[in-house]
Amino acid sequence: GDSVTQMEGPVTLSEEAFLTINCTYTATGYPSLFWYVQYPGEGLQLLLKATKADDKGSNKGFEATYRKETTSFHLEKGSVQVSDSAVYFCALVQGAQKLVFGQGTRLTINP
Amino acid sequence: NAGVTQTPKFQVLKTGQSMTLQCAQDMNHEYMSWYRQDPGMGLRLIHYSVGAGITDQGEVPNGYNVSRSTTEDFPLRLLSAAPSQTSVYFCASNNRGGGYTFGSGTRLTVV
Repeated sequence: GDSVTQMEGPVTLSEEAFLTINCTYTATGYPSLFWYVQYPGEGLQLLLKATKADDKGSNKGFEATYRKETTSFHLEKGSVQVSDSAVYFCALVQGAQKLVFGQGTRLTINP
Repeated sequence: NAGVTQTPKFQVLKTGQSMTLQCAQDMNHEYMSWYRQDPGMGLRLIHYSVGAGITDQGEVPNGYNVSRSTTEDFPLRLLSAAPSQTSVYFCASNNRGGGYTFGSGTRLTVV
């Protein structure tokens, strides 16, 4: 079945550092890909998405490019802030509209 | 505010008790789904619905029932609570091809 694998956390960075969180997927077809963010005590919020190969999703300074050749959707940000501290989930959906999540990566940004 | 509303936010149950987690959305979304979130495992799909009167099982359906009598509501029933059902539960809704909107979650402890 479809699956998503994220880099293991936790990840701790200093403010203004460059961020990469790796995400790879396994799917039989052509899924849509998502990054969700979960702030402490809250539900998940959609951060960005891409629906076809070579699409780039972007939001709030975060970017991710749908790479079909490497089945990847890595999340990047050029300069992180303390307010970016959260848990980040990579996910895919295809067909019957069922989201499949990675295990999540906890990110902590120190001032 | 438009969105997905879950109640209660917190619940403690004794083993063997039953209860219903409520979920309502006011965005006229076709699809609704229930996930559980456990440490290190991301979110796993319990049950989902593609419209009123239609439900189907997800990845971890055992011990849970759902029904969808209206577009707006999608309650999750625990028939006989077990400690393994201690988790955080999220309800989500979406339209086909659209991003998911998540509720703020219900933290359930079974003792």
